[in-house]
Amino acid sequence: SSELTQPPSVSVSPGQTASITCSGDALSKQFAFWYQQRPGQAPVVVIYKDTERPSGIPARFSGSSSGTSVTLTISGVQAEDEADYYCQSADRSNTVIFGGGTKLTVL
Amino acid sequence: EVQLVQSGVEVKKEGESLKISCQGSGYDFTNYWIGWVRQLPGKGLEWMGIIHPRDSDTRYRPSLRGQVTISADKSITTVYLQWSSLKAADTAMYYCARHREYSTSYYIDFWGQGTLVTVSS
Repeated sequence: SSELTQPPSVSVSPGQTASITCSGDALSKQFAFWYQQRPGQAPVVVIYKDTERPSGIPARFSGSSSGTSVTLTISGVQAEDEADYYCQSADRSNTVIFGGGTKLTVL
Repeated sequence: EVQLVQSGVEVKKEGESLKISCQGSGYDFTNYWIGWVRQLPGKGLEWMGIIHPRDSDTRYRPSLRGQVTISADKSITTVYLQWSSLKAADTAMYYCARHREYSTSYYIDFWGQGTLVTVSS
């Protein structure tokens, strides 16, 4: 399968830890990337190559990988982290594919 | 500072043609793949395709091949997305995106601000 599956929504209280998973066969062979999209804005990469964090992204964002799943973890969630999060990888023909997105709500 | 500046809002009718643009600055334009990602209203991200400005090598999402054309003019550091005959289903936000290549594929490290295209039937 060339699909990436994410939960539609995740809710967390401020200061708690949010975990968003992404699963798909492609992830056993390809890196995963995570993007944050705040309402009305363009996406921003927050994790690349499964676990790497770009400069300027807070340390509370981290990524992990295991088999056909990857996880974005946000420790000590803040109100500003409320956004849609998309995982991205590549299919067997190396075409870029995105997960369906997860809406993170900070209660 | 890397910047991708896209052309403005478009309101068109079905059957009309359209070409939107994205101008890159603040980096060597001929060293990176650059392409387009669309977002239907209230929906997720969909990768459309990319072009390498150095030689205009182009890759498309298989389902979109023939539906749109991606081109580039490296002399003015601009990439384009073009339709010959728009459909109402093309109504979406279109993001220009600079791609980084890794061992087997790509990811996006910079995004444009988006161009909203509305097509009425």
